[in-house]
Formats: sequence, structure tokens, C-alpha cells
Amino acid sequence: YVLTQPPSVSVAPGKTATITCGGTNIGDKGVHWYQQKPGQAPLLVIYLNDDRPSGIPERFSGSNSGNTATLTIARVEAGDEADYYCQVWDKSDEQVVFGGGTKLTAL
Amino acid sequence: QVQLQESGPGLVKPSQTLSLTCTVSGGSISNSKDYWTWIRQPAGKKLEWIGRVFASGSTKYSPSLKRRVTMSIDTSKNEFSLKMTSMTAADTGIYYCARLPSVILGVPVYYFDVWGRGTLVTVSS
Repeated sequence: YVLTQPPSVSVAPGKTATITCGGTNIGDKGVHWYQQKPGQAPLLVIYLNDDRPSGIPERFSGSNSGNTATLTIARVEAGDEADYYCQVWDKSDEQVVFGGGTKLTAL
Repeated sequence: QVQLQESGPGLVKPSQTLSLTCTVSGGSISNSKDYWTWIRQPAGKKLEWIGRVFASGSTKYSPSLKRRVTMSIDTSKNEFSLKMTSMTAADTGIYYCARLPSVILGVPVYYFDVWGRGTLVTVSS
């Protein structure tokens, strides 16, 4: 199972960033999103498509339908600059699958 | 809360075997709903799932690495381990251990909720 993300997304501070994750019928799966800043381990920011772990700002939201899952970051801040990865569980193979990652830049 | 800590040699010679251990603190590794996993990340590249081990000892590996990987678990020490044979320069990168819960409150989840800080492994003579 393959997950496809755009390599990079740029957005002006204060605007909304949208990062996509494409996969065949991904809408049938639970999608999770991680934020990774340089030198740090990934941090879960969205789980099961649209839930936020405690401590994650409400500016982070997710959706999933059809062949595309989306991570949306409202009112982007400089501190949101990071790599973002989507992830699913492929239950047919019992495998974890990661997307290729998207580098978010706040211009 | 649960914390994970990787340990092992930071430098491995080509063709040798890498051995890493992940020590779990703040919780039991014997939880029947959790998978214990290894993930790696070559410098500047994407995350790659290596495999997982369950408290029972059952394992599942990435197809691309399964011929070189063995994972094990020691519930008495609350730790799990990774061995990877025939190391090459392409295996250089950060190696993370992480917890992958399978079910929470009856709902299938399969996301990584706790990560170690990662350990840098360099393959070089």
C-alpha cells in the first residue's frame, strides 16, 4: 500500500496550510499524522483521521474521504515549520505504512 | 507516563550485525494490546517501519528487511530488541523504538503514541 504526499508546502504565517496524503480508498482506513522537527522524534498531531491528542492546538485538524486524507493547519505559525508524515495500518498485510513526508515552510 | 529509551552501539562496521535495545519505563511491556516497534530514518529521508514484536514474542517485519531482521522481547526486563544483519552504509540513520497500541477502548487504532528519542547508527569501517 502506497501513501503519496507532496514534498513541500509553503504558506504565509497566519494563513491556512493544507497537506494531502493520497492512497487507494484511504477513506476506508484510519489515518494518523505526525509532526517532526529537526533533531526530534515524530510527534502525533492527529489520530484516526480527525482526533487531536491532548496538548495539540485546535489549529490542527484532519479529514479523510475517498482517496485523499488531509491535514489542515489554521493560522500557521513559524513554530509549525516541520516535516509532516501520514501513516496508516494496512491490515491485509499487518504492516505500518508511512507517507513520504511533506516539509512545511512558513514564508 | 510510558517512556522509551534506545541503547546500543552508535558505530557498526559494514557486514556486521546491529544490536539495539529499547527499555520501557513507566508501564508494562506485557500489555496485551500493545505492539512494540522499530522505525528508522536515514538522514534527510522518510520514516521507515522495520517491524514489531508483541508481548507473546510474535513478530512481523517489513518485507524489504525481513531477511535481515530479528526482534525479540524480554518481559522480565521490560525491554525489547532489534538485530539487523549484513549492515551497509545504506543502513546509516536514526533508529527509533515506539509503542503501537492496537486497540483502545475497543477501537482499532494502530498509531505510534510514544516514541524513544532515537539513536544514531553509523555504518562505517
